Amino acid sequence: AQKITQTQPGMFVQEKEAVTLDCTYDTSDQSYGLFWYKQPSSGEMIFLIYQGSYDEQNATEGRYSLNFQKARKSANLVISASQLGDSAMYFCAMREGYSGAGSYQLTFGKGTKLSVIP
Amino acid sequence: GAGVSQSPSNKVTEKGKDVELRCDPISGHTALYWYRQSLGQGLEFLIYFQGNSAPDKSGLPSDRFSAERTGGSVSTLTIQRTQQEDSAVYLCASSRQLRAVDQPQHFGDGTRLSIL
Repeated sequence: AQKITQTQPGMFVQEKEAVTLDCTYDTSDQSYGLFWYKQPSSGEMIFLIYQGSYDEQNATEGRYSLNFQKARKSANLVISASQLGDSAMYFCAMREGYSGAGSYQLTFGKGTKLSVIP
Repeated sequence: GAGVSQSPSNKVTEKGKDVELRCDPISGHTALYWYRQSLGQGLEFLIYFQGNSAPDKSGLPSDRFSAERTGGSVSTLTIQRTQQEDSAVYLCASSRQLRAVDQPQHFGDGTRLSIL
């Protein structure tokens, strides 16, 4: 089973509108971290926002917020007041907290391509 | 510099040649990671370093791949006898600590490797 699922291969949003990018995850760990990254066409992977499994509040970072629903195992990214520069691939990733082999990696979803329309 | 630096940014080579990719992490970051991004496979984890040590090499795709890190800083990923399926973008990342779940990994711009 996939550990990170992003069901929207592509999304369009009108400039200045808000958009939600979906992410569901699968883990049996109690301690884990969820991350969102942005990858513009230039290729660099930019860290946007982090949510810890024990955090009671949804994370916010400027125009980015994370709608964390632990029981549903979802961690959706909300971008408010979209800008043309937000057009990019967005990846959801998880870091699991156990100390076994392979536990230090980020596991990524397949990404969502967001296009902001003027 | 302030961010993770990778070189070269692009590499084109013939099948069968060896290539060496370099990563210079953020100063003070003890953990370093290598990933590979390709159209078919998405983002794949390859290997991590804690200091100069890489305890788990199971993510490397084949024994043609090797990686080392010296002085707790610069890392090199070496691919021997390159094959066309090695064509991908190789991304390096670093984080302050290995064991903290809340530490984001900060990525370099990647090396785009093309095997002819």
